[in-house]
Amino acid sequence: QKEVEQNSGPLSVPEGAIASLNCTYSDRGSQSFFWYRQYSGKSPELIMSIYSNGDKEDGRFTAQLNKASQYVSLLIRDSQPSDSATYLCAVALWGYNKLIFGAGTRLAVHP
Amino acid sequence: NAGVTQTPKFQVLKTGQSMTLQCAQDMNHNSMYWYRQDPGMGLRLIYYSASEGTTDKGEVPNGYNVSRLNKREFSLRLESAAPSQTSVYFCASSEGRADSGNTIYFGEGSWLTVV
Repeated sequence: QKEVEQNSGPLSVPEGAIASLNCTYSDRGSQSFFWYRQYSGKSPELIMSIYSNGDKEDGRFTAQLNKASQYVSLLIRDSQPSDSATYLCAVALWGYNKLIFGAGTRLAVHP
Repeated sequence: NAGVTQTPKFQVLKTGQSMTLQCAQDMNHNSMYWYRQDPGMGLRLIYYSASEGTTDKGEVPNGYNVSRLNKREFSLRLESAAPSQTSVYFCASSEGRADSGNTIYFGEGSWLTVV
C-alpha cells in the first residue's frame, strides 16, 4: 500500500463548479498535511497546509482533515480554467524531516 | 528574491557519464532536499539535509550522492548515470523540519535524460 494515495484523474469539472480532491494516507503518525499545485512543466507550489482536524479556508480553497479516517481533501470553489493543474497531496510524519507525496490528481476545468 | 535556484535546467547524458546538479537557496533555510519526479509516481525523496554538515537518505538514494557544501548550497551527483535516472529533479528547501509544519519551497527543476 502506498503511503499517500490520490486518484490520478483526470477530474473534469465545469467552470464555476466545486472541485473536490481527495487523499488518503497510511501512517497514523502523520503530523502535517500539505496541498501543492503543479502546472505542466513547472515546479510544485504550496496552496495550503493543515495540521488539525476540521476545515481550513483560504479564499476559494478549503482543506479538510480527518485523522481518524486518515484522509485529507481539498475543495476548490468557483473553479476557473486557470485552476487546471495537477494537485499533489503531501504528508509529513512526526520524527521524519521529509514530505511524502502522492502521485497527484490532474484537474481539468472546462469553460 | 530568487528563492531556490537549480542548474542546469536541461541536460542529456550518456550512460556511464557523471554529472552534478547544483542547488542554492537564498532564504537562509536550514533544511534542503532533492526529489525526483517521474510520470505517475509523484515526487520521491532522494536525499535531504536537515542542517549544514548533515545528510540523510530518502526513499530512492541508490546511484546518487549529495554534498551540503554550506548552508546555501546542496548538490546532487550522479556518479555513473543510467537510463533509469532519466527524470525531472527538484531541489527544495525549508526553514525548519518538515514534520514541524514548515513549508517546503521548490526550485524550477532540472530535466535530465540519460541515453
